[in-house]
Amino acid sequence: DADVTQTPRNRITKTGKRIMLECSQTKGHDRMYWYRQDPGLGLRLIYYSFDVKDINKGEISDGYSVSRQAQAKFSLSLESAIPNQTALYFCATSDSGQDIVNTQYFGPGTRLTVL
Amino acid sequence: DAKTTQPPSMDCAEGRAANLPCNHSTISGNEYVYWYRQIHSQGPQYIIHGLKNNETNEMASLIITEDRKSSTLILPHATLRDTAVYYCIVGGTSYGKLTFGQGTILTVHP
Repeated sequence: DADVTQTPRNRITKTGKRIMLECSQTKGHDRMYWYRQDPGLGLRLIYYSFDVKDINKGEISDGYSVSRQAQAKFSLSLESAIPNQTALYFCATSDSGQDIVNTQYFGPGTRLTVL
Repeated sequence: DAKTTQPPSMDCAEGRAANLPCNHSTISGNEYVYWYRQIHSQGPQYIIHGLKNNETNEMASLIITEDRKSSTLILPHATLRDTAVYYCIVGGTSYGKLTFGQGTILTVHP
């Protein structure tokens, strides 16, 4: 089984709808991240969480919110989806217990299309 | 975090070594060099990291120049499955964040 899973893998929705993307991990890591990737571009950080009670905005958090329900679960919500949020979304985890915290492990991604 | 410069694309013949360069002239003393790759819309995959010394693992080797202003990722025997976008990332450990640039598109051909 995959260590980092994302659901759904693909989603098509309409403008104005509320959407939740979910991420679960079995790696036992305390840190989790949400990124988006637009075609031909690198990944950009949306939100990150260093533990259940710690949530931080990334470089492009506007229009998004997150919830860290447990150490293993980190959800990303689009309260009112708009077409320019059409992108590939990735969840990632890392372990602060390691000396190198930037070793991140990524999920398979969720392809979101907002019509 | 220091910025990096990579060539937009490179080609490599299957079975040959692929050498991917990265410039990071503004790297500071406590920043590491990381390499990740992304195979066609899959989640990025960690490859290797280093600080000062050269590093090798089962996937690749990382050569960092003595002044640490540049590095080279070496895939010793490239296969078609190594075709991917390779990202060189420089950063510290304070926040655990990664800043992805455009990367290098490596195409391995038969």
